[in-house]
Amino acid sequence: RKEVEQDPGPFNVPEGATVAFNCTYSNSASQSFFWYRQDCRKEPKLLMSVYSSGNEDGRFTAQLNRASQYISLLIRDSKLSDSATYLCVVTYNTDKLIFGTGTRLQVFP
Amino acid sequence: DAGVIQSPRHEVTEMGQEVTLRCKPISGHNSLFWYRQTMMRGLELLIYFNNNVPIDDSGMPEDRFSAKMPNASFSTLKIQPSEPRDSAVYFCASSSRAFGGVSQETQYFGPGTRLLVL
Repeated sequence: RKEVEQDPGPFNVPEGATVAFNCTYSNSASQSFFWYRQDCRKEPKLLMSVYSSGNEDGRFTAQLNRASQYISLLIRDSKLSDSATYLCVVTYNTDKLIFGTGTRLQVFP
Repeated sequence: DAGVIQSPRHEVTEMGQEVTLRCKPISGHNSLFWYRQTMMRGLELLIYFNNNVPIDDSGMPEDRFSAKMPNASFSTLKIQPSEPRDSAVYFCASSSRAFGGVSQETQYFGPGTRLLVL
């Protein structure tokens, strides 16, 4: 079993839609959680950290459920520019980031 | 700031040849990471350095891979001899977190080197 698992998608949604991605992790000792975004043929970039209390950044909301070992990302009012691959990332209080294989989102007009 | 710089951006080589990938981290960052990304396996950490010292190389696939960081502003990843299964995008990333620190600092990725081994 992979340490971090994501539905690869693709998720095809119209502009304005709300879309949610889930990610599960296998190691209960995981301590830090992130969502990275990767555009086609580009490098990954940090989208947001995920806190136990949940956090919001504009149209993006991240949630963490430690008991069930999953992380979610909710995107409201999708824009064409949101089309990308979203990578779920966990760490164990070291510098080592464990990446999921990503969920691809395609927003269409 | 120039960001993480990688060279070359693209590399096409023949099986058996030596390949050297280069990375210049963001100035002031003291942690450097080498990743490999493929469709099948996603993004995998190969090795990372803190203050120029290799901390974890457990992700290095085999002895054909080696990495060095002779100073704070330069690192290389070498594959010798290269094989077709090494074809991937290789990313370098850097961060400013102190090893053993509590908080996780953001890793900034370079644009990657696309390697094709024929």
